[in-house]
Amino acid sequence: RKEVEQDPGPFNVPEGATVAFNCTYSNSASQSFFWYRQDCRKEPKLLMSVYSSGNEDGRFTAQLNRASQYISLLIRDSKLSDSATYLCVVNGDSGAGSYQLTFGKGTKLSVIP
Amino acid sequence: DAGITQSPRHKVTETGTPVTLRCHQTENHRYMYWYRQDPGHGLRLIHYSYGVKDTDKGEVSDGYSVSRSKTEDFLLTLESATSSQTSVYFCAIREDYSPLHFGNGTRLTVT
Repeated sequence: RKEVEQDPGPFNVPEGATVAFNCTYSNSASQSFFWYRQDCRKEPKLLMSVYSSGNEDGRFTAQLNRASQYISLLIRDSKLSDSATYLCVVNGDSGAGSYQLTFGKGTKLSVIP
Repeated sequence: DAGITQSPRHKVTETGTPVTLRCHQTENHRYMYWYRQDPGHGLRLIHYSYGVKDTDKGEVSDGYSVSRSKTEDFLLTLESATSSQTSVYFCAIREDYSPLHFGNGTRLTVT
């Protein structure tokens, strides 16, 4: 099983739609989780951290399910500007593993007018 | 944006030549990382540093070396560049349990 897995997509959704991405991870001792956004030919940028109780930032909601070892990202009322690749990131467990963060390969989202 | 600068932004070099990429930060963050990004593979860790002169290998370290002689600079060296090292290289910084912040990237082409 790969360490961090995402559905590569692409997800093609109309403006205003709600879309959800999942990301599974293999290390049950992982402690930190993040969602990044990457535009074409640009660096990844932090979208939001993922907290155990779930968290929301405007139209974006992130959730963590430790029992099933996945994190999710929900985007409501999609905008054209949301078109990008979304990367989930998971760190290792304690010790040296905690220094390393592993990226999923990303899920591509295209929001269509 | 976090104060992190990569240089050069673009480089074309020939197979067999040495290449050094530089990452400079003004945030005084402890951890620095070098990733490469390729189609179909996503971001893969090459090397990382957890302090001055403290470095360790990532998953794709073969053919690369790094040095960190001071907190703000993390150098990535390709001793003898190969075509398989054509890629986009990203440097990133972070503190304990905090997210990564990335530089703008270096596009390296090895001909």
